[in-house]
Amino acid sequence: DTAVSQTPKYLVTQMGNDKSIKCEQNLGHDTMYWYKQDSKKFLKIMFSYNNKELIINETVPNRFSPKSPDKAHLNLHINSLELGDSAVYFCASSQGVGLAGKNIQYFGAGTRLSVL
Amino acid sequence: KQEVTQIPAALSVPEGENLVLNCSFTDSAIYNLQWFRQDPGKGLTSLLLIQSSQREQTSGRLNASLDKSSGRSTLYIAASQPGDSATYLCAVNRWAAGNKLTFGGGTRVLVKP
Repeated sequence: DTAVSQTPKYLVTQMGNDKSIKCEQNLGHDTMYWYKQDSKKFLKIMFSYNNKELIINETVPNRFSPKSPDKAHLNLHINSLELGDSAVYFCASSQGVGLAGKNIQYFGAGTRLSVL
Repeated sequence: KQEVTQIPAALSVPEGENLVLNCSFTDSAIYNLQWFRQDPGKGLTSLLLIQSSQREQTSGRLNASLDKSSGRSTLYIAASQPGDSATYLCAVNRWAAGNKLTFGGGTRVLVKP
């Protein structure tokens, strides 16, 4: 059983399109995250939701919009895709935030997005 | 602004040798520090988490130390094996309420048989 699963694994699309990446966790965690790993392999946080509430919103273009229908899901919608959006996007979850022992983040396998 | 640096960016060692991976951070006001392993085409796997009040954590052949005042952490992997070949990332959590991780660029390790 995959703990944090993302779909699709690969996504190739044209500039200007709108696309979504889905993330689901079956760990019963309260907190979920989206990260972007660029071509230089740097991982940067984009968003975080705790109990379906947005708690981290980094400086990300508003073309990116996360949606959390329930605690187990955090989807990422990207409008008007640009070449610079090409990267690997990782979803992660943790039991909670703030308290020792609840911070360990568990990552999905990533979605490689290529914008042509 | 927190910055996390990992040096070297790549490391190649013969099997059996001990590995020493370094991580430095600019803001010592951290909540905890995590070491992750990333295999090609896969996600990150958490290896060790050290709370800011701790000096070290151990798990099997892995030992991570933390010196908050000097802004450094070191991951030691004893008796390296080819299966240890991967990219190792450290990340600092500087905001307990949000569990926001700032990552270093990683050290790519190759253990040669």
